[in-house]
Amino acid sequence: AQSVAQPEDQVNVAEGNPLTVKCTYSVSGNPYLFWYVQYPNRGLQFLLKYITGDNLVKGSYGFEAEFNKSQTSFHLKKPSALVSDSALYFCAVRDSPGGFKTIFGAGTRLFVKA
Amino acid sequence: NAGVTQTPKFRVLKTGQSMTLLCAQDMNHEYMYWYRQDPGMGLRLIHYSVGEGTTAKGEVPDGYNVSRLKKQNFLLGLESAAPSQTSVYFCASSRDRNEQYFGPGTRLTVT
Repeated sequence: AQSVAQPEDQVNVAEGNPLTVKCTYSVSGNPYLFWYVQYPNRGLQFLLKYITGDNLVKGSYGFEAEFNKSQTSFHLKKPSALVSDSALYFCAVRDSPGGFKTIFGAGTRLFVKA
Repeated sequence: NAGVTQTPKFRVLKTGQSMTLLCAQDMNHEYMYWYRQDPGMGLRLIHYSVGEGTTAKGEVPDGYNVSRLKKQNFLLGLESAAPSQTSVYFCASSRDRNEQYFGPGTRLTVT
């Protein structure tokens, strides 16, 4: 069965420093991977996706993610964190190439300190 | 273009009561989904629909029913609410099976 893991409940980073939010996945076949962000009392917003192609995917708000097939990872990154990036981040994987279900990780809370 | 809207935003029910949550999208998306979000558990899929008139079970369908009579609407029903259904409910839609667009959520408390 497909699954996704976010090993850190919380990540703390100082404003201006680079940030990384980790995600590992387990799928049979080629993965379809996603990152979403959730601000307080809001629904999730799509950030970026990996379907195929370049291992470095660029998304909204200056975020990018690196797909690493050998390590089965899809870590979210940003070169310079902003206080406004503080939010809950979810990694997700589609259950199969032909499937309709998306499996979400438990989420990682990012705190960016000024 | 409102995107995905959900009604109501908040609701308190007593055990055994019933209610319907309404989701509407104006993006002409084929796929629609209902999730529940509980602390530390991410989002769990309750039911989904791949088009008007279709519904299918997700990961945690027990105690819920859904209908998709119109393409733009996806209703989630609780026939007999239980305290375990206290949660935040999110509706989402997607054009294909990739990125999803989420509504603002409904916070439901069952006492």
